[in-house]
Amino acid sequence: KAGVTQTPRYLIKTRGQQVTLSCSPISGHRSVSWYQQTPGQGLQFLFEYFSETQRNKGNFPGRFSGRQFSNSRSEMNVSTLELGDSALYLCASSLEAAGSRETQYFGPGTRLLVL
Amino acid sequence: GQNIDQPTEMTATEGAIVQINCTYQTSGFNGLFWYQQHAGEAPTFLSYNVLDGLEEKGRFSSFLSRSKGYSYLLLKELQMKDSASYLCAVRLSGAGSYQLTFGKGTKLSVIP
Repeated sequence: KAGVTQTPRYLIKTRGQQVTLSCSPISGHRSVSWYQQTPGQGLQFLFEYFSETQRNKGNFPGRFSGRQFSNSRSEMNVSTLELGDSALYLCASSLEAAGSRETQYFGPGTRLLVL
Repeated sequence: GQNIDQPTEMTATEGAIVQINCTYQTSGFNGLFWYQQHAGEAPTFLSYNVLDGLEEKGRFSSFLSRSKGYSYLLLKELQMKDSASYLCAVRLSGAGSYQLTFGKGTKLSVIP
């Protein structure tokens, strides 16, 4: 069974630009979550999607947005990039969410560098 | 707010036992996870506790005390490949929600 895939793996952008990252969950998984990882703050939750609906959102500005498609694939978008957005962006998928033991499986991440 | 604390770094000797502690104060609790993350790689799932007590899985065990807001990960017979960051994460309660709040991770160095 293929794992979570993320594209692209590496990205370099300049301040003010926008970026779109893509995540394909494990087949059959309907919940997709996004996290930002930086050395100073660790892993921070961005948002979670389930059946094309955003169910949860972390404490990030509105420049960070996402969506999920009917095949459970998800994208996240960051507009008006800032230097502080440089981070590893991780996507995680799970089979079912509330009330289950099901863990989240992480993709390899997209490393974004903003210059 | 949510607060999850774990030591920043630990060092242990190959073949030994190490215990990594995690304390949490969160608004709601629906399970505690431990993940392992090697440098430059994605986190991989190690263990899950939702009830008090010890869960054992090979060389790894995880303990939870909900009343104390405390968990630990125990690694036995340490190997060099266990050098990694270990992340403690709490799943917050709430209907139809899957949101993990992570600690900043404990970087474990295993030395010969």
